[in-house]
Amino acid sequence: DADVTQTPRNRITKTGKRIMLECSQTKGHDRMYWYRQDPGLGLQLIYYSFDVKDINKGEISDGYSVSRQAQAKFSLSLESAIPNQTALYFCATSDKGQGYTGELFFGEGSRLTVL
Amino acid sequence: QKEVEQNSGPLSVPEGAIASLNCTYSDRVSQSFFWYRQYSGKSPELIMSIYSNGDKEDGRFTAQLNKASQYVSLLIRDSQPSDSATYLCAVKNGGKLIFGQGTELSVKP
Repeated sequence: DADVTQTPRNRITKTGKRIMLECSQTKGHDRMYWYRQDPGLGLQLIYYSFDVKDINKGEISDGYSVSRQAQAKFSLSLESAIPNQTALYFCATSDKGQGYTGELFFGEGSRLTVL
Repeated sequence: QKEVEQNSGPLSVPEGAIASLNCTYSDRVSQSFFWYRQYSGKSPELIMSIYSNGDKEDGRFTAQLNKASQYVSLLIRDSQPSDSATYLCAVKNGGKLIFGQGTELSVKP
């Protein structure tokens, strides 16, 4: 089983709908991140959390919200989806020590299409 | 200006050649730099990290850092078709990683 699990892996929805992407990890890491990937734009950081009570905005947080329900769970919500939020979304984790070394462990990605 | 910039490519090299991937960053206080590889349809994976000026070698991969010029590069020697992927440069900023756009590398047999 994957150490970092994202659900759903694929989702098609309509403009205006609320969508939640979920991420759970079994690595025991404190730090969790949500990134978005668009062709030609690399990975853009949406939100990150260094522990359960810590939530921080990233480069492109507008239109998104997050919830850190437990050390192992970090969810990303789109309150009212719009077509330009169509993208591949990655959850990632890092340990405090690895947070200093930079190694992120990624989930398999969630492909979201907003019609 | 993006915080981390890469040429998006695609970069095409023949098998056995040296592939050179480049990255510049804007925050002078950055101390830690990383190269991730992403195969099509897969998640990124860390292949190199570098923290000090100069070169760091790991097998066929060499990372080069020049903090004065705010420049990081990745050299892949004896390129193989299996090296065909997108290479993402990342810079650590306040405990989080900021990524560049990625450079798509194609190694032709």
